[in-house]
Amino acid sequence: DAKTTQPPSMDCAEGRAANLPCNHSTISGNEYVYWYRQIHSQGPQYIIHGLKNNETNEMASLIITEDRKSSTLILPHATLRDTAVYYCIVRVAMGGATNKLIFGTGTLLAVQP
Amino acid sequence: DAGVIQSPRHEVTEMGQEVTLRCKPISGHDYLFWYRQTMMRGLELLIYFNNNVPIDDSGMPEDRFSAKMPNASFSTLKIQPSEPRDSAVYFCASSPQRGILLTFGSGTRLTVV
Repeated sequence: DAKTTQPPSMDCAEGRAANLPCNHSTISGNEYVYWYRQIHSQGPQYIIHGLKNNETNEMASLIITEDRKSSTLILPHATLRDTAVYYCIVRVAMGGATNKLIFGTGTLLAVQP
Repeated sequence: DAGVIQSPRHEVTEMGQEVTLRCKPISGHDYLFWYRQTMMRGLELLIYFNNNVPIDDSGMPEDRFSAKMPNASFSTLKIQPSEPRDSAVYFCASSPQRGILLTFGSGTRLTVV
């Protein structure tokens, strides 16, 4: 599996956009980029995923560079409730053994009032 | 759907005692995962099942740990005998056949004294 590199921590002002980077320079052509987050004392929560095109849902936007070696998760208007550890994971989106998710250390996003 | 349901939420037990953690996955999900989270080691995948069959238990730390899934709506993770180093938050997650969109439960915080 392609490895990912994320900064250990970031700060963001409430109401501003939070841009969380992820490097995955060894990503393969059939591997997706997944983002999960874990709010303190809760289980991880799925946010968004993508292959090569930019994606947007009600929670966030995912911007993947053209060479797919890096991506950015964007929370457009961060709130205090977005304070969490954000995990970037690269996996093939198929069934079988590829279903297991291996979590790294992620980025601790602290949204400041 | 009520999501993935875990019980108990908190468990405190004495060293040497047997501990059983329980999980009810989302109806219709074919995959079930058990994770353990500690400050030192982060989120670790212990074992996962597909259609009630254990597929990969390479993350189970030792023979004191065992997991079963007798039917599609129930799984247990048992530790016997428990040790203080087993203290952690144990998460159960489930996912549908395709893709790796895991839904996590709220976790069981285990303290072994």
